[in-house]
Amino acid sequence: NAGVTQTPKFQVLKTGQSMTLQCAQDMNHNSMYWYRQDPGMGLRLIYYSASEGTTDKGEVPNGYNVSRLNKREFSLRLESAAPSQTSVYFCASSTGTSLYEQYFGPGTRLTVT
Amino acid sequence: SQKIEQNSEALNIQEGKTATLTCNYTNYSPAYLQWYRQDPGRGPVFLLLIRENEKEKRKERLKVTFDTTLKQSLFHITASQPADSATYLCALLNTGGFKTIFGAGTRLFVKA
Repeated sequence: NAGVTQTPKFQVLKTGQSMTLQCAQDMNHNSMYWYRQDPGMGLRLIYYSASEGTTDKGEVPNGYNVSRLNKREFSLRLESAAPSQTSVYFCASSTGTSLYEQYFGPGTRLTVT
Repeated sequence: SQKIEQNSEALNIQEGKTATLTCNYTNYSPAYLQWYRQDPGRGPVFLLLIRENEKEKRKERLKVTFDTTLKQSLFHITASQPADSATYLCALLNTGGFKTIFGAGTRLFVKA
């Protein structure tokens, strides 16, 4: 099993450009999440999808959109990138029950200039 | 607003000693508290979950305590090894288990 995969691993954008971060999991998990991690601030939840067909805002949703394409895939879109969105983005998945254990992908390092 | 505090300073200990990391929180009543390990350049890895009605949880060399009155969790690694060197994150979850709040983490260095 590959677990949680993310593409791309690195990306540099100019202010105003758009892009989509892709995430896929092969563990048949119901729930998926997008976080950003900035130095000294810890992981902050952007959006989550409790189950296929549903999405909800997290702590810092402004400037982002998400799509739960199917049970396996959950994408994050930046419509008009800003320097404040420079960060490391992590996707995670979980069964949504029991230990609520989240499995994280390797991350995407995004720089907006 | 909800806030989680972990020791921002790195913790340096000698191999074989017990490492104790602290997680304090305010303005929140979590149903669950989790601890994760994160190595440089990688995503966090789940270690333990403790529920609000549990005082203590153990897993191998790891022990977590949860005091909802003090709003504090302590994370212990006994007989620490250099391989335990990493950043450890505390996370709080609400009843649904979806909206997770993470602390900034504490960096642990274990010297041989």
